[in-house]
Amino acid sequence: RKEVEQDPGPFNVPEGATVAFNCTYSNSASQSFFWYRQDCRKEPKLLMSVYSSGNEDGRFTAQLNRASQYISLLIRDSKLSDSATYLCVNTNAGKSTFGDGTTLTVKP
Amino acid sequence: GAGVSQTPSNKVTEKGKYVELRCDPISGHTALYWYRQSLGQGPEFLIYFQGTGAADDSGLPNDRFFAVRPEGSVSTLKIQRTERGDSAVYLCASSASGFGGETQYFGPGTRLLVL
Repeated sequence: RKEVEQDPGPFNVPEGATVAFNCTYSNSASQSFFWYRQDCRKEPKLLMSVYSSGNEDGRFTAQLNRASQYISLLIRDSKLSDSATYLCVNTNAGKSTFGDGTTLTVKP
Repeated sequence: GAGVSQTPSNKVTEKGKYVELRCDPISGHTALYWYRQSLGQGPEFLIYFQGTGAADDSGLPNDRFFAVRPEGSVSTLKIQRTERGDSAVYLCASSASGFGGETQYFGPGTRLLVL
């Protein structure tokens, strides 16, 4: 079993849809959590950090549930430009563990 | 300012050869990370530097892999006796201090192909 697990998708949604991704992690010592976005053949870039209190950045909402060891990302009003792979990441003492990503395609 | 840069952008080598991959982090960033990414997978942690020292090298797959950061800035990942299974994109990232929930800034990667 991988330390960070994500549904690979693909998720194919129309513009304007709301889509949610989940991620589970097995290392209960993980300290920090993130969602990164990776476009095809490009490097990962930070989308947002994830906190137990939840955090929102425009159309994006992230949530951490430490008791259940899962992280979620909600994207509202999807845009064509949201099409990418979304990577769930947890970090402990400087070492980051990435999931294999969930692929989102937003269609007109 | 300049982001993380990596050279070469592509490297093709033959099985058994030695390769060096270079990473220039963002100026002033103390922490530097190396990852390996295969198609369809997320980045796989290899090693993490705090300054000049390797704080965690638990991800290096075997003793053919070695990384250095002698002056706490530029880092080189060295792979000896390359194997076809080493083919992947090697990503480097840096962060300001390496402590807490910091953003890691990635370079564009080096695509290594071992024939």
